[in-house]
Amino acid sequence: DAMVIQNPRYQVTQFGKPVTLSCSQTLNHNVMYWYQQKSSQAPKLLFHYYDKDFNNEADTPDNFQSRRPNTSFCFLDIRSPGLGDAAMYLCATQIPGTGKYNEQFFGPGTRLTVL
Amino acid sequence: AQSVTQLGSHVSVSEGALVLLRCNYSSSVPPYLFWYVQYPNQGLQLLLKYTSAATLVKGINGFEAEFKKSETSFHLTKPSAHMSDAAEYFCAVRNQGGKLIFGQGTELSVKP
Repeated sequence: DAMVIQNPRYQVTQFGKPVTLSCSQTLNHNVMYWYQQKSSQAPKLLFHYYDKDFNNEADTPDNFQSRRPNTSFCFLDIRSPGLGDAAMYLCATQIPGTGKYNEQFFGPGTRLTVL
Repeated sequence: AQSVTQLGSHVSVSEGALVLLRCNYSSSVPPYLFWYVQYPNQGLQLLLKYTSAATLVKGINGFEAEFKKSETSFHLTKPSAHMSDAAEYFCAVRNQGGKLIFGQGTELSVKP
């Protein structure tokens, strides 16, 4: 089955220690998204890619960076995690042909804990 | 700007009872609307979507939603709740920039 895979599912890091979260897809979808979801809140879009074209949300902190080396992989780098960055991080792709309404397929998420 | 409001952050029903989760939208253009479900420590799964075709939309797991323009609503219903329906439910609207805007979520509890 076509999938969006996120690794690891659970990540623990220390305050200020850089961390990288990974997303891969077997779907060959052009558009990929990274969301941050804090406890009991809605997902918040951090940035998205259309192919290699990177689009940052205006309120995404500089502490968050992303890389997309190829269609299949996308990485979220948090350069200096703070306690407030503890959250679930969700990766999603846009189902091809749904650009008009933007149907998205989500991965299982990575839960980040910052000690 | 498009937005959605989910009425009720927590809804509790008995097993076998009707499930009704409320979502109202604000949009200056015909909206595209979604309901997603999220189980604990999982990603979001699409339940159903409204893309301006039929106003009554049927989704997975027995859920359906009706688009009512006059009420600016897109409420989610299921005739008979099952224990496995316990989860967080998010309503979302596509904004004019092409992104999804999510509501704050409604946590559904199902009592035996």
